[in-house]
Amino acid sequence: KNQVEQSPQSLIILEGKNCTLQCNYTVSPFSNLRWYKQDTGRGPVSLTIMTFSENTKSNGRYTATLDADTKQSSLHITASQLSDSASYICVVNMGGATNKLIFGTGTLLAVQP
Amino acid sequence: DAGITQSPRHKVTETGTPVTLRCHQTENHRYMYWYRQDPGHGLRLIHYSYGVKDTDKGEVSDGYSVSRSKTEDFLLTLESATSSQTSVYFCAIGAGPNTGELFFGEGSRLTVL
Repeated sequence: KNQVEQSPQSLIILEGKNCTLQCNYTVSPFSNLRWYKQDTGRGPVSLTIMTFSENTKSNGRYTATLDADTKQSSLHITASQLSDSASYICVVNMGGATNKLIFGTGTLLAVQP
Repeated sequence: DAGITQSPRHKVTETGTPVTLRCHQTENHRYMYWYRQDPGHGLRLIHYSYGVKDTDKGEVSDGYSVSRSKTEDFLLTLESATSSQTSVYFCAIGAGPNTGELFFGEGSRLTVL
């Protein structure tokens, strides 16, 4: 079964600290993987995309990694800010004829002052 | 922000009544999607459209219908709302499915009593 599992479900950190969110997938075929950020009461917004050949990609204080062999991705947030409080969703695109998207359930991050 | 507008943003209705949610885009994207988001589930695809009058079912299409008579508008209809359709509904648009990048609206919170 094609699945995307994220951990932890929720996380509380202090402002200024770093954190890492995990995404494990059992999806085949695989085209790319995106991380989305969803603020409370808003729609998700894409942070970064990882293709099969990419290991690391940064977007400001966000760094995503991908290990296609172990089918794992992580999102590292450096020097967290209160505005980082959100749900982070991992999405795998199966590509091919369907380009079906498999969504994870998200990690809810709360950054406290 | 991508030009996507959902209406209404909030609606409370009773079981058995028809409900229509509207998604309007100003980006001229070919693809439009309707998702629902529920606690404990990733975003789930209800229906999508790949052009005017071209629509297809997603994974949770039962009880829903859609129509797209113009490029900019995509309507989601619940013919006879049930309590299980209480959810937050997101419209999304995309230039094409290959990259998997979607631009989401703000969401429509529907409560069926």
